[in-house]
Amino acid sequence: EAQVTQNPRYLITVTGKKLTVTCSQNMNHEYMSWYRQDPGLGLRQIYYSMNVEVTDKGDVPEGYKVSRKEKRNFPLILESPSPNQTSLYFCASSLPGLATYEQYFGPGTRLTVT
Amino acid sequence: AQTVTQSQPEMSVQEAETVTLSCTYDTSESDYYLFWYKQPPSRQMILVIRQEAYKQQNATENRFSVNFQKAAKSFSLKISDSQLGDAAMYFCAYRRKGAQKLVFGQGTRLTINP
Repeated sequence: EAQVTQNPRYLITVTGKKLTVTCSQNMNHEYMSWYRQDPGLGLRQIYYSMNVEVTDKGDVPEGYKVSRKEKRNFPLILESPSPNQTSLYFCASSLPGLATYEQYFGPGTRLTVT
Repeated sequence: AQTVTQSQPEMSVQEAETVTLSCTYDTSESDYYLFWYKQPPSRQMILVIRQEAYKQQNATENRFSVNFQKAAKSFSLKISDSQLGDAAMYFCAYRRKGAQKLVFGQGTRLTINP
C-alpha cells in the first residue's frame, strides 16, 4: 500500500530536549516536505527536499532541521524544542513535475512541548 | 507571495442540505492549481477536489463541486446532499505550476446537524 508514515504519532516533551520525528514514504517520491498546522493559520511549510541531499527552507524554518540521506526518509529534528513549537506536524511527498501533482500526506504527529 | 484566505472559521448545515465554503487567493501567476482538502477528526489530510487554473470548466467529484472564478480569484466548494461523514475541517490550498509547495488557507470547520 502506497503510504507516508510518521513516528511518533503523539509526543509530549520538555523544553530543550532534542527530538526527531521520522517520516518515510514507499512511493519512490523525490519531493518531500514538512508542514506544521496551527489553529487559525492552516498548514505552513517548514522545510522541503527535492531529492537526496537537497533540502531547503520553507516559510517557517526557525528552530527546525532536516536531513535527506535516503530517498524514502525525511526526518524532522528539533534540537532544542520550545513551547511555541507545540503543533500538529505533517510530512508530505510527491513526484515532481507537472503531470503528477497530488501530494500524499502522512497521518500527522501531535507534538506538545512543556 | 501567494496567500489563501478562508473567511469562514466555522460553518454548519443540516444533513441532506447544500453548503458552500468560500476561499479567495492572491497570486500574480497565471497558471496554477487549486485544491480542497478534508481533515476529519482522524487528522488525515484527504484530497477532495482539484482545479487547474487553465481549465474554465469547474471540477466536480460526486457531491463535491467548485465554483472557480479566476478573475475574482475565488474558489468555493459546494457540498450537495450533506452527510454526517462530511463533518471535518476543510482547507483550501494553492500550488503554483512547476512548484511543489502548497499554500493553505486557515481552514473552515464544517458541522453537519442531523
